[in-house]
Amino acid sequence: QKEVEQNSGPLSVPEGAIASLNCTYSDRGSQSFFWYRQYSGKSPELIMFIYSNGDKEDGRFTAQLNKASQYVSLLIRDSQPSDSATYLCAVNLRYKLSFGAGTTVTVRA
Amino acid sequence: EAGVTQFPSHSVIEKGQTVTLRCDPISGHDNLYWYRRVMGKEIKFLLHFVKESKQDESGMPNNRFLAERTGGTYSTLKVQPAELEDSGVYFCASSQSARGWVGANVLTFGAGSRLTVL
Repeated sequence: QKEVEQNSGPLSVPEGAIASLNCTYSDRGSQSFFWYRQYSGKSPELIMFIYSNGDKEDGRFTAQLNKASQYVSLLIRDSQPSDSATYLCAVNLRYKLSFGAGTTVTVRA
Repeated sequence: EAGVTQFPSHSVIEKGQTVTLRCDPISGHDNLYWYRRVMGKEIKFLLHFVKESKQDESGMPNNRFLAERTGGTYSTLKVQPAELEDSGVYFCASSQSARGWVGANVLTFGAGSRLTVL
């Protein structure tokens, strides 16, 4: 079983729509959960992180965490063409991040 | 503030040769990490330095890989001798010392060093 699994892509959404990204993790001891965005050939950049059950909002992005279900998600509202990238879910366990394979999102103008 | 800097951005070498990758973390960041992404796979942890000490090297594939962080500043990752399966993108990341809760350890990544072994 993989430590972190993300919904397979690619995901194509029209401009202005909501993009929904899902991630599950295997280790119940995981303490915090991160969403990174990576443009082709660039470094992963942090979008947001969450560590408490529930929702956390930052601008057009909302992260949702359900520790009982070992599930974390990212919603991108009012998607823009500039949101087209690969989104990486990462789970922090004892100072070490474990990553999912990433979901590639394409926003159609 | 300068970000995490990696050099070279791309290296092409023959099987059996040696390559050394360098990472300059953000100034003042005690934690330094190496990760690797091979084609089609997820980013995988290699090792973690706290200052000059190796905190966790459980992800290092084998003894052909050697990481150092002399003086607790920049780090190098040497692959000797390189094999075909070592091809991939090597990322370095750094973070400040976490005061209190380890879950707040937020990593900043470099742009990566792409290694191609022929």
